Amino acid sequence: QSALTQPRSVSGSPGQSVTISCTGTSSDVGGYNYVSWYQQHPGKAPKLMIYDVSKRPSGVPDRFSGSKSGNTASLTISGLQAEDEADYYCCSYAGSYGVFGGGTKLTVL
Amino acid sequence: EVQLVESGGGLVQPGGSLKLSCAASGFTFSGSAMHWVRQASGKGLEWVGRIRSKANSYATAYAASVKGRFTISRDDSKNTAYLQMNSLKTEDTAVYYCTTAVAGPWGFDPWGQGTLVTVSS
Repeated sequence: QSALTQPRSVSGSPGQSVTISCTGTSSDVGGYNYVSWYQQHPGKAPKLMIYDVSKRPSGVPDRFSGSKSGNTASLTISGLQAEDEADYYCCSYAGSYGVFGGGTKLTVL
Repeated sequence: EVQLVESGGGLVQPGGSLKLSCAASGFTFSGSAMHWVRQASGKGLEWVGRIRSKANSYATAYAASVKGRFTISRDDSKNTAYLQMNSLKTEDTAVYYCTTAVAGPWGFDPWGQGTLVTVSS
């Protein structure tokens, strides 16, 4: 049960797009279409942004999108806004259990 | 409104036990799998375990780091899930969240506010 690999930090200017990667194995990310992404602001509970690789829950802006290729999933945020600055975590089903990524800090310059 | 409220956190000595509760409302609790996720201070999220519904035989699964020490249970009559933590270690110190998957089988939403467990002598 090894954690998924995410970059520790990414940054972008308002209006730009950024992509956060999440790399696993064929036993988790590559093996199932159950990758989800969470946004967490300091001191707050995580918030679901993407589930089932690319589906957006009601209320999440369409600036957020998800995809997957092989053992790597990606979260793309377009039209960056100041309020997007937060920590982002990916999560994958891995056959009975779950595994999170180490988290990525997004800085909006 | 879908809501989850955790309780039961606190300070416990290494080797001790603690039982967390997660009270649910606003959705069909009995038909939903319930998960526990923890987060040590300044660290990332860690999936702890889950319990499925009665229709799925209340099947449980745990992270390797807690297997054999933690037990998840539920009382559908009280819309409450539990996390029994035994043989606690200092590395179990974290905020513990309960969550479910209303949207998709593995998309955790909503989350509770979390309850802090501190394991220290």
